[in-house]
Amino acid sequence: ETGVTQTPRHLVMGMTNKKSLKCEQHLGHNAMYWYKQSAKKPLELMFVYNFKEQTENNSVPSRFSPECPNSSHLFLHLHTLQPEDSALYLCASSRETSGIVNEQFFGPGTRLTVL
Amino acid sequence: DAKTTQPTSMDCAEGRAANLPCNHSTISGNEYVYWYRQIHSQGPQYIIHGLKNNETNEMASLIITEDRKSSTLILPHATLRDTAVYYCIVKAGGSEKLVFGKGTKLTVNP
Repeated sequence: ETGVTQTPRHLVMGMTNKKSLKCEQHLGHNAMYWYKQSAKKPLELMFVYNFKEQTENNSVPSRFSPECPNSSHLFLHLHTLQPEDSALYLCASSRETSGIVNEQFFGPGTRLTVL
Repeated sequence: DAKTTQPTSMDCAEGRAANLPCNHSTISGNEYVYWYRQIHSQGPQYIIHGLKNNETNEMASLIITEDRKSSTLILPHATLRDTAVYYCIVKAGGSEKLVFGKGTKLTVNP
């Protein structure tokens, strides 16, 4: 148990559906991250939020829309996804982004399948 | 951030030390070496980090060469639960980005 929870753990959706992934951290951290891990590919950073402000968008398609209402919660809204978007989506948090040491704590991930 | 090179896979006998190497020959003076691991179907887990001195915590030891161009993560008494992919990452202090490579798949055998 890392103090970072993600729901749902598994999600199957059609290409025309709209769904949201939720991440919550109970560590008092100020930075939160979304990563994508496709089969047989390294983890890819998608978005970074620091003190609720988005500080990084790693050229992510607009069909992925992040939302960070407060430092403890992070959402990833999904719409009109493609089958190639099927992957493990991981959330992480850290104290902040500008610290010298930026240890990130990861959640268990949401396994997404797009049909 | 500097790139790292790790072996694709390694095997280790249960109870023995696992020594995982990492090359980072282009590391800059302000870049730290981080190690994370990912057990199958779980999120990555932070293990240890260092700048230039050797470091030890309850999980592992990190040995960094004097020229800082390579490092070794040591799991002193590997268990079956240590079977995972281990990632060596070089990142500047104050940088928000962790760039994961393919890592080393460590298999601990009974």
